[in-house]
Amino acid sequence: AQSVTQLDSQVPVFEEAPVELRCNYSSSVSVYLFWYVQYPNQGLQLLLKYLSGSTLVKSINGFEAEFNKSQTSFHLRKPSVHISDTAEYFCAVSDRGGGFKTIFGAGTRLFVKA
Amino acid sequence: EADIYQTPRYLVIGTGKKITLECSQTMGHDKMYWYQQDPGMELHLIHYSYGVNSTEKGDLSSESTVSRIRTEHFPLTLESARPSHTSQYLCASSEDLGKPGANVLTFGAGSRLTVL
Repeated sequence: AQSVTQLDSQVPVFEEAPVELRCNYSSSVSVYLFWYVQYPNQGLQLLLKYLSGSTLVKSINGFEAEFNKSQTSFHLRKPSVHISDTAEYFCAVSDRGGGFKTIFGAGTRLFVKA
Repeated sequence: EADIYQTPRYLVIGTGKKITLECSQTMGHDKMYWYQQDPGMELHLIHYSYGVNSTEKGDLSSESTVSRIRTEHFPLTLESARPSHTSQYLCASSEDLGKPGANVLTFGAGSRLTVL
């Protein structure tokens, strides 16, 4: 069975400060890894994904995440946040062996203050 | 611009009513899903479909049913709504990347259901 733990339910941060949203997973098989973002009153949108290749993946709006297999982590970072980054962020995994399941964490609410 | 559409966005109904939440996608994806989302909780998969006439229940027990008569349409029905069904329901689809299990999901905006 797989599980995803997002270690912080809420992260308040000032504008232009760096932020890290932590994600750890548990799985007996190899996984694909994802971060999704949900803005208020909207559905989830894919932010970035790790499928293969470089363990450091980046989004178009400055976020990055690094797959650490030994620590089973996929933390999300941004060096300088904007007010517009205020949203809920979900870490997720799926089984490389196939199947329909994507397992989500409970989410981390990022609140960027002016 | 959304490629997956859910209606209604908000619905308040009384106990015992039958409701259908609509979901349509324009991307031609074979795989479609329904998730249930409650505040502070993981998203839970309640139904999925691999293609036309193929539907399965997910991990979370649900009294809802789904159908997949057309590729683009995946409605969810509750025959008799109860207050315990109050939740946000998210529809999603995923494209085939040629990598089994690489389910890159595209979500609709959600349908928020309140049952009084």
